[in-house]
Amino acid sequence: DTAVSQTPKYLVTQMGNDKSIKCEQNLGHDTMYWYKQDSKKFLKIMFSYNNKELIINETVPNRFSPKSPDKAHLNLHINSLELGDSAVYFCASSPGPPGQETQYFGPGTRLLVL
Amino acid sequence: AQSVAQPEDQVNVAEGNPLTVKCTYSVSGNPYLFWYVQYPNRGLQFLLKYITGDNLVKGSYGFEAEFNKSQTSFHLKKPSALVSDSALYFCAVRSRGGGNKLTFGTGTQLKVEL
Repeated sequence: DTAVSQTPKYLVTQMGNDKSIKCEQNLGHDTMYWYKQDSKKFLKIMFSYNNKELIINETVPNRFSPKSPDKAHLNLHINSLELGDSAVYFCASSPGPPGQETQYFGPGTRLLVL
Repeated sequence: AQSVAQPEDQVNVAEGNPLTVKCTYSVSGNPYLFWYVQYPNRGLQFLLKYITGDNLVKGSYGFEAEFNKSQTSFHLKKPSALVSDSALYFCAVRSRGGGNKLTFGTGTQLKVEL
């Protein structure tokens, strides 16, 4: 009965590889997010989709491409991985666009680029 | 632009003593304010939020926070700390005036000792 789930939980890969992280929510929410948490625990929004439409697109390298096949899923594909991409990536969802809505977070995907 | 400041990287408190985790914010207009908690190797969990109305907001696990408009603060408090409260706490803000982004502070590590 996990509300927001992410796969994989851990991802270790070489520089230059392409990888994807998947996120699914079973809360019936309209909005989903990707956040990046760096080694200093600083949390930064990357993307957000509302009803499969991109509503937030922060200054993120275009090697990062989100895809939302439906409201319950938001995947993150990363091309040509770099050492600096090593971080924890969190998916989140909320009933509607950010406002007074509470966001519900997944457990995170720990990405290590070697 | 909106921003959040959490001036303390770490707060240490003895179990049973009251705790305060500080947060100040800067937004255009009135804010929506949130506190989230992150336990080790976990995603963020919602604690409480201020939307409107009573300046004192009560949340999960006995936490509360007071919205102070004149001081632009939203400090998190608990009357009696537990060792199990030890975690990383994030304050977040969004302007009511528009924009879709929730901005997080840098986090405060709370350590409750016996």
